[in-house]
Amino acid sequence: EVQLVESGGGLVQPGRSLKLSCAASGFTFSNYYMAWVRQAPKKGLEWVATISTSGSRTYYPDSVKGRFTISRDNAKSSLYLQMNSLKSEDTATYYCARQANYYFDYWGQGVMVTVSS
Amino acid sequence: QITLTQQAESLWISPGERVSITCRASQSLLYTDGKHYLSWYQQRPGQTTKALIYHASVRTDGVPTRFIGSGSGTEFTLSIEHVQPEDFAIYYCLQTLKSPWTFGGGTKLELK
Repeated sequence: EVQLVESGGGLVQPGRSLKLSCAASGFTFSNYYMAWVRQAPKKGLEWVATISTSGSRTYYPDSVKGRFTISRDNAKSSLYLQMNSLKSEDTATYYCARQANYYFDYWGQGVMVTVSS
Repeated sequence: QITLTQQAESLWISPGERVSITCRASQSLLYTDGKHYLSWYQQRPGQTTKALIYHASVRTDGVPTRFIGSGSGTEFTLSIEHVQPEDFAIYYCLQTLKSPWTFGGGTKLELK
């Protein structure tokens, strides 16, 4: 059974940093692109980042480019999201997702990040 | 960037009815390989987000046959036949043709 379990969320002040983790199990992690998707409270979904199987290629929308960094450790079947210079508009639930054939076939339960002073 | 519009924020239906959820793209989602890069997702409280349809019309593993994806170019539809109680949820479309990948605003199915 595919499982994606996020951790590392919490309350952080504007301008500070936070690193999210996603532990994957139930599939061969190194064979899949992985992604982060977020959802602001009572809002829709927003794609945040994607990483290739080896980690050599990463992709971001302009809203987070230069502030967020996606990475992975295939030996640990883990995905990460380093978030720097956080803003109030980054407040959201962050989901880890497996990417297959240009869609997200499995999602985690999500972890909440609140950016506030 | 490509904008996806789900006109209906909410749809009120009764169990057993058929419902169609539409998603309109600001440009064609057809790629040169002949596939449309449009997928559909279901969000239910307390559940992980579930992928239903990809490439506009291909059901993902285990998705009931009452979920039907259709459409082409810029107009896409997710239809649910004989709606079941567990289908009352929020549905999102997603385009993955061009970066940044973008979601529609979501359509909530509500009990009439």
